[in-house]
Amino acid sequence: ETGVTQSPTHLIKTRGQQVTLRCSSQSGHNTVSWYQQALGQGPQFIFQYYREEENGRGNFPPRFSGLQFPNYSSELNVNALELDDSALYLCASSFWGESYEQYFGPGTRLTVT
Amino acid sequence: GQNIDQPTEMTATEGAIVQINCTYQTSGFNGLFWYQQHAGEAPTFLSYNVLDGLEEKGRFSSFLSRSKGYSYLLLKELQMKDSASYLCAVRAPGAGSYQLTFGKGTKLSVIP
Repeated sequence: ETGVTQSPTHLIKTRGQQVTLRCSSQSGHNTVSWYQQALGQGPQFIFQYYREEENGRGNFPPRFSGLQFPNYSSELNVNALELDDSALYLCASSFWGESYEQYFGPGTRLTVT
Repeated sequence: GQNIDQPTEMTATEGAIVQINCTYQTSGFNGLFWYQQHAGEAPTFLSYNVLDGLEEKGRFSSFLSRSKGYSYLLLKELQMKDSASYLCAVRAPGAGSYQLTFGKGTKLSVIP
């Protein structure tokens, strides 16, 4: 059973640019959630995807968008990057309705300069 | 609104017992989680409480009182490897919802 994987591990972007982060869910999981964790803070929920549709969203602007693919992998896209977007981006996968557990990936560290 | 409070830092001695408290005020409740997070790593699941009472799992126990909006994580027989941040998180209501609201985390330092 493979765990949650994310790519890339680290990324440096310039303010105003766009970025795409990727997540492969754990084998057998069909739901993906994305979180942003700023330094010294707890993770903040961005959105959740199930059956390739967004079905829950936190307090993040529309420039944060996502996709889920038929194989349940997912992407997080952030447009018009701002300095405050610098954070660890975590992806978590779970199986809809069957279990309360969700498993986090190792994260992508994004630095915006 | 959503508000989850936990102490910022705690220090305890190897072999001792430590209790990390968490209070919450949220617009909905569908369970409370505790996660452990080592620096630079992903959070790892420790416990889940949805009903009042104590859940024990090895050296870790978690308690929930829904009427008081209160939970604690109890770590026994502390080991150096327990030095990490401990995150309290409340799950939003709704079938299939995995939306968690996290506290800022409690950084635990275990000293010899």
